[in-house]
Amino acid sequence: DTAVSQTPKYLVTQMGNDKSIKCEQNLGHDTMYWYKQDSKKFLKIMFSYNNKELIINETVPNRFSPKSPDKAHLNLHINSLELGDSAVYFCASSQTGDNEQFFGPGTRLTVL
Amino acid sequence: GEDVEQSLFLSVREGDSSVINCTYTDSSSTYLYWYKQEPGAGLQLLTYIFSNMDMKQDQRLTVLLNKKDKHLSLRIADTQTGDSAIYFCALTGGATNKLIFGTGTLLAVQP
Repeated sequence: DTAVSQTPKYLVTQMGNDKSIKCEQNLGHDTMYWYKQDSKKFLKIMFSYNNKELIINETVPNRFSPKSPDKAHLNLHINSLELGDSAVYFCASSQTGDNEQFFGPGTRLTVL
Repeated sequence: GEDVEQSLFLSVREGDSSVINCTYTDSSSTYLYWYKQEPGAGLQLLTYIFSNMDMKQDQRLTVLLNKKDKHLSLRIADTQTGDSAIYFCALTGGATNKLIFGTGTLLAVQP
């Protein structure tokens, strides 16, 4: 299936731990994004990579570090997890010049 | 920064029309979008409108854009229970094509 996939779908962890969320797209797109959706459903961009280069870095704590090993992957590593990091994280991809961003199914992160 | 506001909740009866509204502060976006999020799922692009258009119709969906008032709306004709979801308007911000989402409207369709 051609799509944007994320793993894991659910992640429950303790405060202070370090965790990673992985994203892969097989659509051949050159741009990938991470969005955060909080408990009130507000959606906000966090990062964007174009051809493995960081092009958007919103005011996100530096505990969050995205890594793009290649155009098809954009992983999100989070250090020293805090309660406020609990949210649903969505990965998306697009092709430069196209309007549509394709979203993954989301990863629900719960920090206890 | 850009503010994109929507009303939180809309309830309609099956078969009626639904109108979801969105207001924004920055009018530099080239395209304006409507996304649908079903419970526990990701976002699905429903439709979009180019900023120099006033209206776009796509089957049951009609998008109206009033640039003067910075107001975007999505009309769903003959609303079905399967249309129950959260609807987000979105604009692109700056040269990086990042999406700036509205606050989301929960549409509840009563049978």
